[in-house]
Amino acid sequence: AQTVTQSQPEMSVQEAETVTLSCTYDTSESDYYLFWYKQPPSRQMILVIRQEAYKQQNATENRFSVNFQKAAKSFSLKISDSQLGDAAMYFCAYRVTGNQFYFGTGTSLTVIP
Amino acid sequence: DADVTQTPRNRITKTGKRIMLECSQTKGHDRMYWYRQDPGLGLRLIYYSFDVKDINKGEISDGYSVSRQAQAKFSLSLESAIPNQTALYFCATSDFTLAGGKDTQYFGPGTRLTVL
Repeated sequence: AQTVTQSQPEMSVQEAETVTLSCTYDTSESDYYLFWYKQPPSRQMILVIRQEAYKQQNATENRFSVNFQKAAKSFSLKISDSQLGDAAMYFCAYRVTGNQFYFGTGTSLTVIP
Repeated sequence: DADVTQTPRNRITKTGKRIMLECSQTKGHDRMYWYRQDPGLGLRLIYYSFDVKDINKGEISDGYSVSRQAQAKFSLSLESAIPNQTALYFCATSDFTLAGGKDTQYFGPGTRLTVL
């Protein structure tokens, strides 16, 4: 069974500092996609970053980057220069090509001014 | 205008009532999904549809039904609502195609449903 585990229910970071959110997943597939979604208080689900499993290079989107360790089945999100607007619930998600998504239980990120 | 819309945004109902949540999309995607979100449980898949004639049960389909009226519309019904169906419900689309897409989901704004 595919599962996604986020072991940190809550995290906090000082404004302008860097924080890393952890995610591990369990799969027997070799071709899949991984995602991080952000859910601010508005409750809208917003795609932060996406990683294809066949790519060795870690994805980056401005201040957001991932550390993808395929052998370890680990997919952490690093937020650099944290801003107040980064405060949100963050969900890690996994998807086998063409099939359904599986989401983790989320990490609530607080940014301290 | 939003690409994926949901109506209503909030709904309070009573146990035993039939409720329909509606989702529309202007993204032209074939694949649509319904999820529910509960605190501490993340998002769980209720139903998904790969096209108008293809509807599949997800992880937690009991007590729910769906209708794919058109490529752009996918409705979720609670046949007889019960309090443990109180949750935040999300509709989503996917840009996956057999020809190759980014395989990313795009979410609606969510519907907050409370069953008393």
